[in-house]
Amino acid sequence: QKEVEQNSGPLSVPEGAIASLNCTYSDRGSQSFFWYRQYSGKSPELIMSIYSNGDKEDGRFTAQLNKASQYVSLLIRDSQPSDSATYLCAVEGGGGNKLTFGTGTQLKVEL
Amino acid sequence: GAVVSQHPSWVICKSGTSVKIECRSLDFQATTMFWYRQFPKQSLMLMATSNEGSKATYEQGVEKDKFLINHASLTLSTLTVTSAHPEDSSFYICSAQPGPPLYEQYFGPGTRLTVT
Repeated sequence: QKEVEQNSGPLSVPEGAIASLNCTYSDRGSQSFFWYRQYSGKSPELIMSIYSNGDKEDGRFTAQLNKASQYVSLLIRDSQPSDSATYLCAVEGGGGNKLTFGTGTQLKVEL
Repeated sequence: GAVVSQHPSWVICKSGTSVKIECRSLDFQATTMFWYRQFPKQSLMLMATSNEGSKATYEQGVEKDKFLINHASLTLSTLTVTSAHPEDSSFYICSAQPGPPLYEQYFGPGTRLTVT
């Protein structure tokens, strides 16, 4: 069974700091990886996708992928209170189009 | 871009009645659409996967006769909860996928169903 593991948190960081969110996955055949942000009571919103080993930056967000270690992370620079949400890691399985979601990490950015 | 709408955003119905939820991709064609359910403080649970013109594929434990899915076009999928019961009360969310080689899913805003 394909698994995606995330620390549930909450992860608390002060405003302006870097938040680091981590995710591991079990399926070595996975090729596509995504980070979603979900505010309480709302649906998930795609914030980053990454397909190749290394780093991918988009504004204050950086996704990092290490397929050998089956590890993907999300860095949020200059964290803002509006970044407080649950961050879901999602992994596409090799040969399929379904996503397997982690249970999410709750991030709290404190003033 | 990549906007998915869902209607209604919330609905209250009586036990035993049916409710239809619509999911539309507004600015792209979706080869595949997905239906999820989420209970409070729990993770997303995939219910079914649907491709345009094909029968939906349901996840284990999801009753296909209770949750009817129709994917009539590349921009529209519907979920009908038949003979709803209070335990069906949940947050139902659809997502749409543009298709290979892109596998990202774009989510609709969700429908909050309350069965009384």
